[in-house]
Amino acid sequence: QLQLQESGPGLVKPSETLSLTCTVSGGSISSSSYYWGWIRQPPGKGLEWIGSIYYSGSTYYNPSLKSRVTISVDTSKNQFSLKLSSVTAADTAVYYCARHPYDFWSGYPYWYFDLWGRGTLVTVSS
Amino acid sequence: DIQMTQSPSTLSASVGDRVTITCRASQSISSWLAWYQQKPGKAPKLLIYKASSLESGVPSRFSGSGSGTEFTLTISSLQPDDFATYYCQQYNSYSGRTFGQGTKVEIK
Repeated sequence: QLQLQESGPGLVKPSETLSLTCTVSGGSISSSSYYWGWIRQPPGKGLEWIGSIYYSGSTYYNPSLKSRVTISVDTSKNQFSLKLSSVTAADTAVYYCARHPYDFWSGYPYWYFDLWGRGTLVTVSS
Repeated sequence: DIQMTQSPSTLSASVGDRVTITCRASQSISSWLAWYQQKPGKAPKLLIYKASSLESGVPSRFSGSGSGTEFTLTISSLQPDDFATYYCQQYNSYSGRTFGQGTKVEIK
């Protein structure tokens, strides 16, 4: 059964770069059927999509975060990663990695998330 | 950006009740809407996609309907496991993939 697991520092200082990795187990990240994404949730608040990547390296980013976000994939390790630069307290959140299907007919992903990791809390504080 | 507004924000109900949650989009999103269930400390779980398609493994008491700007999630007979927060998410527009603010279903 395919599972996703986030990992990375739980505490990041303001102005520094937040770095997280999502490890895919029980299946291949190189599956042509899926995109892989990051979503975050500030404590007590709603959900915000950050960005997504295909195994080929094709990416989509939330325009509101695009200038600070880089998502990359390492198929040899079955992992994909998130980097968010110049963080502030507003970036404190639970960060989830998730999977969403790829529509071969249109050539674009479907943008609903059908499998999620457990999430990891990242706090931005000095 | 497309804004998603859920109502109510909180809903008190009893086991066995029929529950309906509404999600409104600020502009038409066709049927590109998903519903998720989230329990405290857990990741969201996909329930419904494309407005009315039930995700595999999700109980049939959950159903979704609507198109354009108004959508509903219905739980036909509320079960103890269903007390949670529910989110809608639009995926019509590339700009945002926005989620609603959530509806908490509480025990009455």
